[in-house]
This record gives sequence, C-alpha cells and structure tokens, in this order.
Amino acid sequence: GENVEQHPSTLSVQEGDSAVIKCTYSDSASNYFPWYKQELGKGPQLIIDIRSNVGEKKDQRIAVTLNKTAKHFSLHITETQPEDSAVYFCAACRGTGANNLFFGTGTRLTVIP
Amino acid sequence: GAVVSQHPSRVICKSGTSVKIECRSLDFQATTMFWYRQFPKQSLMLMATSNEGSKATYEQGVEKDKFLINHASLTLSTLTVTSAHPEDSSFYICSLGLAGGETQYFGPGTRLLVL
Repeated sequence: GENVEQHPSTLSVQEGDSAVIKCTYSDSASNYFPWYKQELGKGPQLIIDIRSNVGEKKDQRIAVTLNKTAKHFSLHITETQPEDSAVYFCAACRGTGANNLFFGTGTRLTVIP
Repeated sequence: GAVVSQHPSRVICKSGTSVKIECRSLDFQATTMFWYRQFPKQSLMLMATSNEGSKATYEQGVEKDKFLINHASLTLSTLTVTSAHPEDSSFYICSLGLAGGETQYFGPGTRLLVL
C-alpha cells in the first residue's frame, strides 16, 4: 500500500518568511496530492491540490510542487502570517475511483509575529 | 468547495452507552462519505467508507459491529459508536468524497469523551 512521509513535524518561522513542508510517497500509481490545513479543534480544510499531469500549482501565497520521478511533493507558503499557524497534512491518492487518501503525519507550523 | 456539517460537535458519555454522530452534506449529493478518527497530535486514520444505499466498507482492524455506519440518503451518513469505552475517546471526522472520491471535504469533527 501507499506510505506517505512528511517532514518536518514542527516548523517555526518569523512572520513574513517562507515555510516549506515536504512529503514523499511510495506508490507510483498515486496521481492526486492534496494538502490540508487543520486548526485546533477543527476538521481539515483543503487548501490546494495537484495532479500528476502538472509539476507546480500556485494559489496566491500557497504553491505546491510535484516531482513524480522522485516521488515527492512540497507545500510552499510565502509571506507567512500568524493565521497560517496550524497543522498541515499532505496526502496521496490513486485518483478517481480509488477513494482512499493516505495522509502524512502532519507538520505543526507556528508563525511568530 | 463543499460544506459538510457534523453533529454534535462534542459529546461526553458514560462507558457502555452508544453515541450517534451525524454527518451532513449541505450542498452536494454525497454518494460517498468517509469516517476518520484522529487521536491527539496524530494524523487522520480512515475507519470506513460509507456508500449511499449500500453497506459501508471498513478498514482493517475497525470493528464493524462497534462502529455502525448508516448512509441512507444522499445528504446524511451516521456513525454510531456502540457500547463506548474510554479508549474510544477521540476526534471523529467525516468527509464528503467528490470527483470519484479523491477530492474530500471534511466536516468540523466531533470530539467524543467516554468517561
């Protein structure tokens, strides 16, 4: 089955700096990679996703890159703000019809004002 | 994205009682919904996949007789924790599966505390 590893487990950055979270996966058949943000006591919120037919996707201050050959993908947050502080989870999925999302172990991001 | 609600948001119950958690899709037909459990400072663990009109598919190690799932309509799935014990205390989260299930939108979660 799929195994998703996520690093780092915790990350502290100064407000305005960039944050990068990295994930690797094991199943070469995975082709959909979402990122979720979870605030304390709440459910995860989908913030960005990428499919294997593209290498990079950007949405304002958030970007995701994918290297299918190396089986890794990363989340980049620029100009971080205190409200970006949360736990971020990456996930991998085989795509339509496959259903199962395999989650990473999470990264607790703290943005220091 | 889709809007998913859960009720209740938190529940405290005595050991041995049963607790029902509702998961509603407010703006999309929910053919497929998922139930997850999350322990403190851990990742989400898939418990079961709930398909409208059919039996749920449980992940290995999840007792189907203990965690009863009913998905009788396109907007509602319920998870009943039967004969709850303290070790069942956890954060239970449902999600709505769209685009064949790969894109999932999560509910706000239900925190269960069993005394």
